[in-house]
Amino acid sequence: QKEVEQNSGPLSVPEGAIASLNCTYSDRGSQSFFWYRQYSGKSPELIMFIYSNGDKEDGRFTAQLNKASQYVSLLIRDSQPSDSATYLCAVTRGFQKLVFGTGTRLLVSP
Amino acid sequence: EAGVTQFPSHSVIEKGQTVTLRCDPISGHDNLYWYRRVMGKEIKFLLHFVKESKQDESGMPNNRFLAERTGGTYSTLKVQPAELEDSGVYFCASSQDPLPGYGYTFGSGTRLTVV
Repeated sequence: QKEVEQNSGPLSVPEGAIASLNCTYSDRGSQSFFWYRQYSGKSPELIMFIYSNGDKEDGRFTAQLNKASQYVSLLIRDSQPSDSATYLCAVTRGFQKLVFGTGTRLLVSP
Repeated sequence: EAGVTQFPSHSVIEKGQTVTLRCDPISGHDNLYWYRRVMGKEIKFLLHFVKESKQDESGMPNNRFLAERTGGTYSTLKVQPAELEDSGVYFCASSQDPLPGYGYTFGSGTRLTVV
């Protein structure tokens, strides 16, 4: 079992819809959770981080964390074609490193 | 503010050769990380520097990999001798915050192909 699991996709949504990206993790000791966006051939860029149970909103993005279920998600409202990318979920392991999932490819069609 | 710079952006070498990757972090960032993504797999941690000291090198695959950070500035990652399974994209990230993830800025990566 991988430490961080994501559906590889692609997840296809029409423009203007809500995209829901999900991630589960196995280490109950993980403290912080991150969503990165990576365009093809580019570097990962941080979209959001969350460390408390519940929701955290930033513009069109909402991160949700449920530590009891070991589940973290990212909602993208009013999806745009420019949101088409691979979304990487990452969790902390200890104080030194991030553990990444393989990413979910999101396709937003005009 | 200049970002994290990595070079070369691409490198194709033959099995058995040596390759050195370089990362220039954002000025003032004490924390420097190396990660690697092998085709089809997740991005994996290699090691973490604080200034010139290695804090955690538990992700280094084997002793063919050697990382250094001269004077706490730029870092190099040398692979010697390279094997086919070393192919992948090597990312460097730097941050001021000592906790992983917060404030990470990634470089654009070096795509290494070993043939």
